[in-house]
Amino acid sequence: NAGVTQTPKFQVLKTGQSMTLQCAQDMNHNSMYWYRQDPGMGLRLIYYSASEGTTDKGEVPNGYNVSRLNKREFSLRLESAAPSQTSVYFCASTQGDPWDGYTFGSGTRLTVV
Amino acid sequence: SQKIEQNSEALNIQEGKTATLTCNYTNYSPAYLQWYRQDPGRGPVFLLLIRENEKEKRKERLKVTFDTTLKQSLFHITASQPADSATYLCALEGGAGSYQLTFGKGTKLSVIP
Repeated sequence: NAGVTQTPKFQVLKTGQSMTLQCAQDMNHNSMYWYRQDPGMGLRLIYYSASEGTTDKGEVPNGYNVSRLNKREFSLRLESAAPSQTSVYFCASTQGDPWDGYTFGSGTRLTVV
Repeated sequence: SQKIEQNSEALNIQEGKTATLTCNYTNYSPAYLQWYRQDPGRGPVFLLLIRENEKEKRKERLKVTFDTTLKQSLFHITASQPADSATYLCALEGGAGSYQLTFGKGTKLSVIP
């Protein structure tokens, strides 16, 4: 089983460019999440999808949009990248039972210059 | 707003000793708490979950305690090994069945041979 797959693994963008980070899980999980991780800040929730067809804002949603394409896929879009969005982005999924842990992808390291 | 503190950014211990990591929280009463391990360049990996009505949980060399009065969880690794060196994150559920997790900033554990 692949678990949670994120693409790309690395990306460099120029300020103002747009891009979409892809995330797919093969565990039939209901809930999916996007986090960013910055030095000294820990993991911060950007957006989440509790179930297929729903999305909600997390702690730091500004500058991002998401799409829950189907039960497997949850994408994160940066419409106009800014240097402040330089970070490592993690996608995660869980069945939705509160007693389940999250399964994380290996991350996308994004640099905006 | 809820606040999570992991009391040490870094902890160095000698191989074979017991490592104890602390997670404190305020302004909140979570139904459960989770612990994750994160290696450099990788996503977090779920280790253990403990519920508010459980005082202690064990898994192999890992032990977690949860004191809802003190608003504190302790994470112990007994007979530590260099392979245990990693960053350990505690995470609290967001409440009201939200299935969101809020993460602490982590403690970087180094086990010295």
